[in-house]
Amino acid sequence: DIQLTQSPSFLSASVGDRVTITCRASQGISSYLAWYQQKPGKAPKLLIYAASTLQSGVPSRFSGSGSGTEFTLTISSLQPEDFATYYCQQLNSYPIFTFGPGTKVDIK
Amino acid sequence: QVQLVQSGAEVKKPGASVKVSCKASGYTFTSYYMHWVRQAPGQGLEWMGIINPSGGSTSYAQKLQGRVTMTRDTSTSTVYMELSSLRSEDTAVYYCARMYSSSRGNAFDIWGQGTMVTVSS
Repeated sequence: DIQLTQSPSFLSASVGDRVTITCRASQGISSYLAWYQQKPGKAPKLLIYAASTLQSGVPSRFSGSGSGTEFTLTISSLQPEDFATYYCQQLNSYPIFTFGPGTKVDIK
Repeated sequence: QVQLVQSGAEVKKPGASVKVSCKASGYTFTSYYMHWVRQAPGQGLEWMGIINPSGGSTSYAQKLQGRVTMTRDTSTSTVYMELSSLRSEDTAVYYCARMYSSSRGNAFDIWGQGTMVTVSS
């Protein structure tokens, strides 16, 4: 099975900061990677798929990049509503689509 | 609008079974695969399995094989997830999620609101 790791696991940042989260796969997954945002008590929300394609309705301050085994999610200017936990997910090894362990973004 | 509405919270005793429903609306039910994902309290997301609402074929996470069954009812646009031989470690929020597929790739674009299942004696 493909394993995903995320770094950091916890991130403390201020409004307006540029934030970058990294997701690494145990083997190459081409661009079959998605990013989700989850707030407490809520279902995850799709932000980015195919590594860099922004889901409709998601603010342009979110962006994704990478291919193969290393991927990044960047928030260009952190907003108050962005404090949440972020998960990456690989969609290469159909149908087993594992998630990363998550990165919690907290207020500094 | 496109949405998935799940059944309500459940409390079960160890060894019992639970069946969670997920009703789809606002789109063609048989055109999108459905997944189930669970999240234990304070933990991350765990993929459980997939069902093809069109033909009913399924695939499950290895650790749940033999205990999980996913079914669908096309007449009501509803998918079901049944988990048997419940143990305390199965206490979690259970989500259904629609899989969007494009030439670029797949993703879980629509999620149900979640169903809390508590296993306690």
